Amino acid sequence: AQSVTQPDIHITVSEGASLELRCNYSYGATPYLFWYVQSPGQGLQLLLKYFSGDTLVQGIKGFEAEFKRSQSSFNLRKPSVHWSDAAEYFCAVGTANDYKLSFGAGTTVTVRA
Amino acid sequence: DAGVTQSPTHLIKTRGQHVTLRCSPISGHKSVSWYQQVLGQGPQFIFQYYEKEERGRGNFPDRFSARQFPNYSSELNVNALLLGDSALYLCASSSSRQKGPTGELFFGEGSRLTVL
Repeated sequence: AQSVTQPDIHITVSEGASLELRCNYSYGATPYLFWYVQSPGQGLQLLLKYFSGDTLVQGIKGFEAEFKRSQSSFNLRKPSVHWSDAAEYFCAVGTANDYKLSFGAGTTVTVRA
Repeated sequence: DAGVTQSPTHLIKTRGQHVTLRCSPISGHKSVSWYQQVLGQGPQFIFQYYEKEERGRGNFPDRFSARQFPNYSSELNVNALLLGDSALYLCASSSSRQKGPTGELFFGEGSRLTVL
């Protein structure tokens, strides 16, 4: 079964600084990988996804992620964070043979002025 | 266009009671999935339905059941509530009918259930 690990529970970053959120997955074949963001009291919004092809994926809100098969990682990055990026971020993995997504425990991002 | 709508947004129940949560997918979406998000954790898959047929079920007890109606809306039912059922219940819809999450999941804002 696939699993997802987000090693960082909480990250604090200054506004304008860069952000990187780590995600490691466990799955034998090529996974479908996703990053979602959840603001307080809100549902989940898809930031970006990777199925195949170019390993650097661009998403909404200036986010990008890089798939590294050798490291089983799919880290999320943003060059310059805005106060509105404060939220909880979830990495998720799916497979071609299943209907479900398996989510990591999430990383809470705090942005300080 | 309206997004995924869920009701109620908040509810409080006591142990042993029953709860029904409702979800209306985005217009045109025939697939509905349910996830449970316990505080401090990521969402856990409960069910997925496509055109009224259950396609997948997560590792949840039989106290959890769901159904999908001809208009593609869905209900999640939980019987004999336990304290551990306290969580945010998220509904997601998708236009994809293929196996595998090739279609984007659009999530509602959830129903927050508190069991006392």
